[in-house]
Amino acid sequence: KAGVTQTPRYLIKTRGQQVTLSCSPISGHRSVSWYQQTPGQGLQFLFEYFSETQRNKGNFPGRFSGRQFSNSRSEMNVSTLELGDSALYLCASSTGDGTGELFFGEGSRLTVL
Amino acid sequence: AQTVTQSQPEMSVQEAETVTLSCTYDTSESNYYLFWYKQPPSRQMILVIRQEAYKQQNATENRFSVNFQKAAKSFSLKISDSQLGDTAMYFCAFMKHVRTGANSKLTFGKGITLSVRP
Repeated sequence: KAGVTQTPRYLIKTRGQQVTLSCSPISGHRSVSWYQQTPGQGLQFLFEYFSETQRNKGNFPGRFSGRQFSNSRSEMNVSTLELGDSALYLCASSTGDGTGELFFGEGSRLTVL
Repeated sequence: AQTVTQSQPEMSVQEAETVTLSCTYDTSESNYYLFWYKQPPSRQMILVIRQEAYKQQNATENRFSVNFQKAAKSFSLKISDSQLGDTAMYFCAFMKHVRTGANSKLTFGKGITLSVRP
């Protein structure tokens, strides 16, 4: 069974640009959540999608957005990039049945110059 | 809101020895899950062990076990017979239990870097 796939793995952008990250969950998983990992702030929850609907949202500005498609694949978008957006963005998938276990991808490393 | 605290930033242990990683949390919820996740240098986060708050019995997974003290809001991880492959960053995490729908919001601690010495 294929794991969680995130693309791209690495990317470099400049301030003011926008970026789109993609996540393909494990087959059969309907829940996809996104986390930002930085050395200073640690791991912070961005948002969660379940059956194409946003279920939870963390405390991030509106520049951070996401969506989920009918095949459960998810994308997150960050507009008007700032230096502080440099981070590892992790995607996690789960069945969404409330048992709690999340399966993480390897992440997308974003560097903003 | 929930908070998870891991006060030790780094630990080191000799191969084959036992090490305990500490974690405390704060919540007003009565039903929740607690987790330990491992993030090796390759970066992929892996679930080590999970504890359901309503279960009094401490969870165990092979060499990994937890000491869950609900009243004290403490959730430590014990790694027995440490191996070189255990070298990683370990995160303690909290998830509120919801009866319906999905909930994948994890609140993480800052993590602890564990080094296993040969």
